[in-house]
Amino acid sequence: GAVVSQHPSWVICKSGTSVKIECRSLDFQATTMFWYRQFPKQSLMLMATSNEGSKATYEQGVEKDKFLINHASLTLSTLTVTSAHPEDSSFYICSATNGLAGVLSEQFFGPGTRLTVL
Amino acid sequence: AQSVTQLDSQVPVFEEAPVELRCNYSSSVSVYLFWYVQYPNQGLQLLLKYLSGSTLVKGINGFEAEFNKSQTSFHLRKPSVHISDTAEYFCAVSDPNAGGTSYGKLTFGQGTILTVHP
Repeated sequence: GAVVSQHPSWVICKSGTSVKIECRSLDFQATTMFWYRQFPKQSLMLMATSNEGSKATYEQGVEKDKFLINHASLTLSTLTVTSAHPEDSSFYICSATNGLAGVLSEQFFGPGTRLTVL
Repeated sequence: AQSVTQLDSQVPVFEEAPVELRCNYSSSVSVYLFWYVQYPNQGLQLLLKYLSGSTLVKGINGFEAEFNKSQTSFHLRKPSVHISDTAEYFCAVSDPNAGGTSYGKLTFGQGTILTVHP
């Protein structure tokens, strides 16, 4: 199957700093990438959908100025948590698909990034 | 809005025993249904999916699930589990009638941790 990687796998930062998480599709072109957040013992919650070359679409309640998403190429999307605070500590997961708009395609998931904000 | 409930947060079983992981969804419209598995330190992997047709769906690793529209359920089953099936399992739904960037979006349940004991 298709492989999606995330970097870093875990990160610890101080409150007020910004953290960038990378999501890469290693062996296919990802026209669409999704970013999820998972709190302990809770389900994955979709944060935003990004299509290559266009602005991300954020879910209701997700601050687009705090969670900056860039999908500049067909193999890379980045999520930047700006001015991180302890409540942003979570497990961030990306997924990627080569599906076209209106076509249901399988999402391939990265292994996740554990963010801890002190 | 769609929602997914996985009724058991943890399911311990002995090796070679049968197992059923329960999933119920709430939706007033037709749905696509999915089961994903997440092994430690890995991304989510698709086990099986129901899009249309036969309500009994067979997936990888000997798993199967049955779509029951009247009970709005999509329970996952395996007749004989192995130690290697120890993982977290997620049920998810998608709206086939969603348009634009909403098409293909997944709503996840809280996850069920399956632990297989020797």
